[in-house]
Amino acid sequence: DTAVSQTPKYLVTQMGNDKSIKCEQNLGHDTMYWYKQDSKKFLKIMFSYNNKELIINETVPNRFSPKSPDKAHLNLHINSLELGDSAVYFCASRLRGQETQYFGPGTRLLVL
Amino acid sequence: KQEVTQIPAALSVPEGENLVLNCSFTDSAIYNLQWFRQDPGKGLTSLLLIQSSQREQTSGRLNASLDKSSGRSTLYIAASQPGDSATYLCAVSTGNQFYFGTGTSLTVIP
Repeated sequence: DTAVSQTPKYLVTQMGNDKSIKCEQNLGHDTMYWYKQDSKKFLKIMFSYNNKELIINETVPNRFSPKSPDKAHLNLHINSLELGDSAVYFCASRLRGQETQYFGPGTRLLVL
Repeated sequence: KQEVTQIPAALSVPEGENLVLNCSFTDSAIYNLQWFRQDPGKGLTSLLLIQSSQREQTSGRLNASLDKSSGRSTLYIAASQPGDSATYLCAVSTGNQFYFGTGTSLTVIP
């Protein structure tokens, strides 16, 4: 009965590859987010997305692109992976009008 | 630009102690503030959410306060237990943007 799930949990890949991380929520939420947590544990928002609006943090390279096949999913696609992309990526969701975000367990990405 | 700072970065206390974690933010124009808990290798769990119009929220042994004008929030944990050991993060929301602090790593020693 996981609320927000992410796959894979771990991802180890070579520099230059293209990879995707999937996120699904079964809470009926209409807004989803992607965060990057760096080695210093600092969480930075990358994207927020609902059916009508994608808000992109301007510091996010355009190699990162969110894709939402439906309201319950927001996947993160990364092109031409770089060493600095190594981090933990968290997906989160909430319902508009409510403030509490629910987080997934994270995907640990290591770029070699 | 909003900056969120948490002090201390790490804290170690014996079981049973009451403790306070601090969070400060530079822009008082916030929508709300949340405290999260992160266990090693796991995601974040929301503990308490304080709306900008509120002064505090309580849940069990946890009490969070908010002083928006001074840009500060505290998380008070009463009668700490080893199970409280985790990293505690505060985050402020300005609407669609969320700004997280770097966290306080708490260890409660049995």
